Amino acid sequence: DQQVKQNSPSLSVQEGRISILNCDYTNSMFDYFLWYKKYPAEGPTFLISISSIKDKNEDGRFTVFLNKSAKHLSLHIVPSQPGDSAVYFCGIIQGAQKLVFGQGTRLTINP
Amino acid sequence: NAGVTQTPKFQVLKTGQSMTLQCAQDMNHEYMSWYRQDPGMGLRLIHYSVGAGITDQGEVPNGYNVSRSTTEDFPLRLLSAAPSQTSVYFCASSPFRQYYGYTFGSGTRLTVV
Repeated sequence: DQQVKQNSPSLSVQEGRISILNCDYTNSMFDYFLWYKKYPAEGPTFLISISSIKDKNEDGRFTVFLNKSAKHLSLHIVPSQPGDSAVYFCGIIQGAQKLVFGQGTRLTINP
Repeated sequence: NAGVTQTPKFQVLKTGQSMTLQCAQDMNHEYMSWYRQDPGMGLRLIHYSVGAGITDQGEVPNGYNVSRSTTEDFPLRLLSAAPSQTSVYFCASSPFRQYYGYTFGSGTRLTVV
């Protein structure tokens, strides 16, 4: 049973605009959420995280929003740049440290 | 620092063959894990370990074995390869309870024919 779902396989955004990537989860007991970014032929790299005691976390152009009542997580990138083109994975921590990911969203930034 | 090193980078196996994917980290991380990446399925957790001598199953453990005899190494064994195991495999490590600190290797692309 998929505990983390990214329902948009792909997203195309114009350079300079806002990119919004979405993630839904099933268990309200999850208390730590992460976003990872992956380029082709490389391993994923950590981007940003948020704990369940917060509803927003910012790091430069990247902001993660957490809506606990809706069990929904989103990543905002503004302004979007060509180097942001990658696959983005939403992840949750289960139990002590088990990291489980969603299916990923391929983001393409068009010049 | 080498970080997380995976070998080999590419491998072709025949159905029924066995092999071991190697993963080593030099950061003294307690936690290590294996994922496979398939189109449309994202990154799925195969097995993980919270320390030497301790392993547990992830989301898709069938067909894979692991052991953790040292902190540094976490090999993944395919006992009898099947075409369904064609995938890209990633190993990751992290300090214990440091949720943002996962470091991934660059992956092993495995094809089973």
